[in-house]
Amino acid sequence: KAGVTQTPRYLIKTRGQQVTLSCSPISGHRSVSWYQQTPGQGLQFLFEYFSETQRNKGNFPGRFSGRQFSNSRSEMNVSTLELGDSALYLCASSLWGVQETQYFGPGTRLLVL
Amino acid sequence: TQLLEQSPQFLSIQEGENLTVYCNSSSVFSSLQWYRQEPGEGPVLLVTVVTGGEVKKLKRLTFQFGDARKDSSLHITAAQPGDTGLYLCAGERAGNMLTFGGGTRLMVKP
Repeated sequence: KAGVTQTPRYLIKTRGQQVTLSCSPISGHRSVSWYQQTPGQGLQFLFEYFSETQRNKGNFPGRFSGRQFSNSRSEMNVSTLELGDSALYLCASSLWGVQETQYFGPGTRLLVL
Repeated sequence: TQLLEQSPQFLSIQEGENLTVYCNSSSVFSSLQWYRQEPGEGPVLLVTVVTGGEVKKLKRLTFQFGDARKDSSLHITAAQPGDTGLYLCAGERAGNMLTFGGGTRLMVKP
């Protein structure tokens, strides 16, 4: 069974731009969660989607948004990029939610210049 | 301030030594998960502990969940270079959210 895939793997943007990251979950998984990982703050929860609905949201500004499609693929968007948005963005999928085994993708490394 | 405090943050030991990583909180969690992350990859789940006082063993790794479900520990016996990585604990609370600790970066030297 194919694992969680994330595209692109690396991205360089400049301040003020926007970016869209994509996550394809394991086939059959309906829950997709997004996390931001930085050396200073560690791994922080962004939001979780289940059946195209955002079920939970972490403590991030409204510049961070996401969506999930009917095939469970998910995208996250960051508008008006700031230097502090430089991070590894990870998505994880599971059948029903975070109480189950979360399968993480390799992440998208975003650098904001 | 992290809701889940992990200690130590860094650990460098020789092959064959034992070590313990701690994950502490003032909050109660429904369950606690331990992950290992290697460079360039996402975290991989090692174990989930659910019941207070629960002990789970995974080969040379022993995981314990505190009686009050606020803390957990990971003990590695006879560490090997292949154990090198970032170890993360994550607590699940109501609302289908995971809160991660800051991580423990372990290096096992041959």
